[in-house]
Amino acid sequence: QVQLQESGPGLVKPSQTLSLTCTVSGGSISSGGYYWSWIRQHPGKGLEWIGYIYYSGSTYYNPSLKSRVTISVDTSKNQFSLKLSSVTAADTAVYYCARASGSYFFPYWGQGTLVTVSS
Amino acid sequence: EIVMTQSPATLSVSPGERATLSCRASQSVSSNLAWYQQKPGQAPRLLIYGASTRATGIPARFSGSGSGTEFTLTISSLQSEDFAVYYCQQYNNWRGTFGQGTKLEIK
Repeated sequence: QVQLQESGPGLVKPSQTLSLTCTVSGGSISSGGYYWSWIRQHPGKGLEWIGYIYYSGSTYYNPSLKSRVTISVDTSKNQFSLKLSSVTAADTAVYYCARASGSYFFPYWGQGTLVTVSS
Repeated sequence: EIVMTQSPATLSVSPGERATLSCRASQSVSSNLAWYQQKPGQAPRLLIYGASTRATGIPARFSGSGSGTEFTLTISSLQSEDFAVYYCQQYNNWRGTFGQGTKLEIK
């Protein structure tokens, strides 16, 4: 059973870069066939897909965030990461990492981590 | 972008009764539709994919139907643990989008 765990700072200052890592256990990122994903949820709101990365490094980003998002993968550590630049209070959210099937739905999720943007 | 619209925003139902939740897509997504359940403080849990296929371990009281632009999630006999927020998600292309959610509350 694959498990995902987010880690990173819970507080980021405005204009800085938000950085999170997702550690995968119970399965190898390198095995292929899955898209490793970031999704966020603003407080009390719905879900917003941020982007995916394939083990090969191919990425797909939400066009509304594309200019500020970078997702990368480290297969040696079985981790993938999110960087979101120039953050504002509007980026305050719970950030989830998830594994998408080849058909882009999400059977596996991390527990989520709250990131607050505040000075 | 495909916009997913869920209705109603809040649904009040008594335990043991049937609940019917709706999801509409702004354009056809074929059967590429998933449903998730989210409880407070938890990550979403996949219930249904392919519009009607239950995910592993999901009880038979959960069923999904529909194709194209109109979809329904039915919970046949509500249990106490079913009161939560439910989201639909289309994945007809790589840019999957979620609905805004339906909160299922105890009547």
